[in-house]
Amino acid sequence: AQKVTQAQTEISVVEKEDVTLDCVYETRDTTYYLFWYKQPPSGELVFLIRRNSFDEQNEISGRYSWNFQKSTSSFNFTITASQVVDSAVYFCALSEVDYGGSQGNLIFGKGTKLSVKP
Amino acid sequence: EAGVTQFPSHSVIEKGQTVTLRCDPISGHDNLYWYRRVMGKEIKFLLHFVKESKQDESGMPNNRFLAERTGGTYSTLKVQPAELEDSGVYFCASSHRDRGRIPLDEQYFGPGTRLTVT
Repeated sequence: AQKVTQAQTEISVVEKEDVTLDCVYETRDTTYYLFWYKQPPSGELVFLIRRNSFDEQNEISGRYSWNFQKSTSSFNFTITASQVVDSAVYFCALSEVDYGGSQGNLIFGKGTKLSVKP
Repeated sequence: EAGVTQFPSHSVIEKGQTVTLRCDPISGHDNLYWYRRVMGKEIKFLLHFVKESKQDESGMPNNRFLAERTGGTYSTLKVQPAELEDSGVYFCASSHRDRGRIPLDEQYFGPGTRLTVT
């Protein structure tokens, strides 16, 4: 069965601290995609990153970085030098690919609420 | 380019009443998805349209939920009759469909409709 676990329900840090959000997934498929979405107080889900199962290279985008490790089925997200504007709920998600090449539905974790205090 | 829009943003209805939620995807996106987040739980997939056709409706909870996508443009999700457990936030997402393309397009989410059934 497919499953995404975000064990951290809430995290609170002080501005400029680094913070890592954990994500562990389960799937029997060899071809899949992993995602992170951000949900700010306004409510919409904002796409942050997509990673396919054949690409284990870590990625850095500004203050954001992602560590994908298939050996531990984890796709962790680190925010360096956090800012108040990073306060949001962050969701990790998994999607499998059908043989037609189309993206399947997203399977979400429960989300981690990050509060960054000034 | 306009994003995914949803209407209404919030709806409060009584048990037994009918409610219709609307989603306008990003222009040109053939894929349209509905998701729901019940309080404290994960965001769960409901169904997936490709143009006007239902590709996957395995997540629809029961026959009180009816989704349509007229002409492959906007979509509606009707709940009739509403029950207390239907309360939650209903998200719509859309993505471009290009069969065989790797990597696949991410899903763009709307702000959600918060449904409260009393």
